[in-house]
Amino acid sequence: EIVLTQSPGTLSLSPGERATLSCRASQSVARSYLAWYQQKPGQAPRLLIYGASSRATGIPDRFSGSGSGTDFTLTISRLEPEDLAVYYCQQYGSSPLFTFGPGTKVQIK
Amino acid sequence: QVQLQESGPGLVKPSQTLSLTCTVSGGSITSGYYYWNWIRQPAGKGLEWIGRIYTSGSTNYNPSLKNRVSISVDTSKNHFSLRLSSVTAADTAMYYCARDDFRSLYYAMDVWGQGTTVTVSS
Repeated sequence: EIVLTQSPGTLSLSPGERATLSCRASQSVARSYLAWYQQKPGQAPRLLIYGASSRATGIPDRFSGSGSGTDFTLTISRLEPEDLAVYYCQQYGSSPLFTFGPGTKVQIK
Repeated sequence: QVQLQESGPGLVKPSQTLSLTCTVSGGSITSGYYYWNWIRQPAGKGLEWIGRIYTSGSTNYNPSLKNRVSISVDTSKNHFSLRLSSVTAADTAMYYCARDDFRSLYYAMDVWGQGTTVTVSS
């Protein structure tokens, strides 16, 4: 089983600042099969990034994904108040077929 | 656009079977290159994938739940369903259905239902 670890657990930044979220896998993840989701309070998760670096439909370009192998990063270039959320990375392919990281909570100062 | 809506009892007694349905609207469950998934999230915790089904009936399950879980599809009703047997308090969670796209999005889940809360209690 591939275990995903996310850091930091909580990130507190001011609007306009850059947020860098890390997702590390216990084994190599095929680049195409790494996704990021945003979950705002009281809402279902929303797909942000698929294939490690491709933005999903309607996602602002301040969100970007990068990485390969065991280290992946989600960057929010300029934080906005509505980015308050928990962000999860997810891998596909290893049993269980889908696993999620524990999440990074982004707080806005 | 395609929307998903979960439905089912919000309260289930311990040792009984949890049954939920996810209705697909705005499109046919048989169209496209999609699998149909169930994911759950205990209050204040992370996401756990339960399993998925293709419209052919082919399924994949999380090994941690495999002995208790069954997912089925009814294409005539445009919905798919989850059954989880022998539930305990540990199965109390928000249950989401979601679609994963294996042609365009490398199996990422691009459409989610709003979720339904299930509590296991006597």
